[in-house]
Amino acid sequence: GNSVTQMEGPVTLSEEAFLTINCTYTATGYPSLFWYVQYPGEGLQLLLKATKADDKGSNKGFEATYRKETTSFHLEKGSVQVSDSAVYFCALRGDYKLSFGAGTTVTVRA
Amino acid sequence: KAGVTQTPRYLIKTRGQQVTLSCSPISGHRSVSWYQQTPGQGLQFLFEYFSETQRNKGNFPGRFSGRQFSNSRSEMNVSTLELGDSALYLCASSLTGTGITGELFFGEGSRLTVL
Repeated sequence: GNSVTQMEGPVTLSEEAFLTINCTYTATGYPSLFWYVQYPGEGLQLLLKATKADDKGSNKGFEATYRKETTSFHLEKGSVQVSDSAVYFCALRGDYKLSFGAGTTVTVRA
Repeated sequence: KAGVTQTPRYLIKTRGQQVTLSCSPISGHRSVSWYQQTPGQGLQFLFEYFSETQRNKGNFPGRFSGRQFSNSRSEMNVSTLELGDSALYLCASSLTGTGITGELFFGEGSRLTVL
């Protein structure tokens, strides 16, 4: 079946540091891939998505590229802010549902 | 445009009781999905409804059930509660359903504690 593996956290960074969260997937075919973010006390919000190989999703300074050859969709941001502190989930769409990774907690210190 | 609304936000039940959670999707959205979020298992898919029909169901026991009404509002019910049912239950709506776009809009969740 479909599955998503994310790098384990928690991740603690200083403001303006570079952030990478690794995500790899197992799926049949070429699923759409997503990054969702959950801020404290809130539900999940779609951060970015990519629907086919080599697509790059981007939003709020975050980027992720759909790599078919490595079955990966790593999330990156060049300069994080305190407001980026949240839990980040990688997900893929298949079989009429989203399959999520375990989530990575990111804390950015001022 | 109002977002996805879930009620109640917090509730405490005891083992053996049942609980009903409600979800009002974004206006115009016809699909509602439910997910259970726990620290140990993460986010797990419960079921998805589209135009009052259950389109997909996750690997949960029959104690977990749901339905969708003609106005797209959805409810999920858990009967004979167990301690392990303590979780954040998230509802998500979409215009056409997960199978088409995969873009879901989530509510803030209903946090259930079973004592």
